[in-house]
Amino acid sequence: QKEVEQDPGPLSVPEGAIVSLNCTYSNSAFQYFMWYRQYSRKGPELLMYTYSSGNKEDGRFTAQVDKSSKYISLFIRDSQPSDSATYLCAMSPGSSASKIIFGSGTRLSIRP
Amino acid sequence: SAVISQKPSRDICQRGTSLTIQCQVDSQVTMMFWYRQQPGQSLTLIATANQGSEATYESGFVIDKFPISRPNLTFSTLTVSNMSPEDSSIYLCSAFGGVLNTEAFFGQGTRLTVV
Repeated sequence: QKEVEQDPGPLSVPEGAIVSLNCTYSNSAFQYFMWYRQYSRKGPELLMYTYSSGNKEDGRFTAQVDKSSKYISLFIRDSQPSDSATYLCAMSPGSSASKIIFGSGTRLSIRP
Repeated sequence: SAVISQKPSRDICQRGTSLTIQCQVDSQVTMMFWYRQQPGQSLTLIATANQGSEATYESGFVIDKFPISRPNLTFSTLTVSNMSPEDSSIYLCSAFGGVLNTEAFFGQGTRLTVV
């Protein structure tokens, strides 16, 4: 079993829809949770960063962490064609010496 | 955030040759990381590069194949040696930044094709 599981998609939704992306994990030591967006032929770009359980909102993006269920989510409201990318979840125990574990990424396509 | 510059951005190389990838961070960082991302796959950590000591390699990666240098706190290189087509991949450099120094930032990547 992988430490981090993420549905690879592809996921295709119409413009304006709410998108829900999810990851599950098995290591209860994870404290820091990240979402990266990666456009084709580009490096991953840090999108959202959350510590421990709870919600964090930034514009159209909301990250949720449920440590009791070992489940994290990224919601995108009012999705735009420019949101079309691969979204990778990532997590670590926390210190800068910790290895970050990445999900396999979900390919998202927003249809105009 | 940390700004990470990586070069070359892409290269096409002959099998049997070596390529050195450079990574420059805009601030001093203790550790730098090198990842490989094969087409359609997630990121796989190759090694962690500490300034002043040998790099620490992950299972499946060896120093002879992927020698790493870390001459100072803002710069690192990764060499892909004796390349074969199986080495065709995107190679990414990363470093921690942010307020708590727990956010990982990435360079734009080096797209390597071995023919």
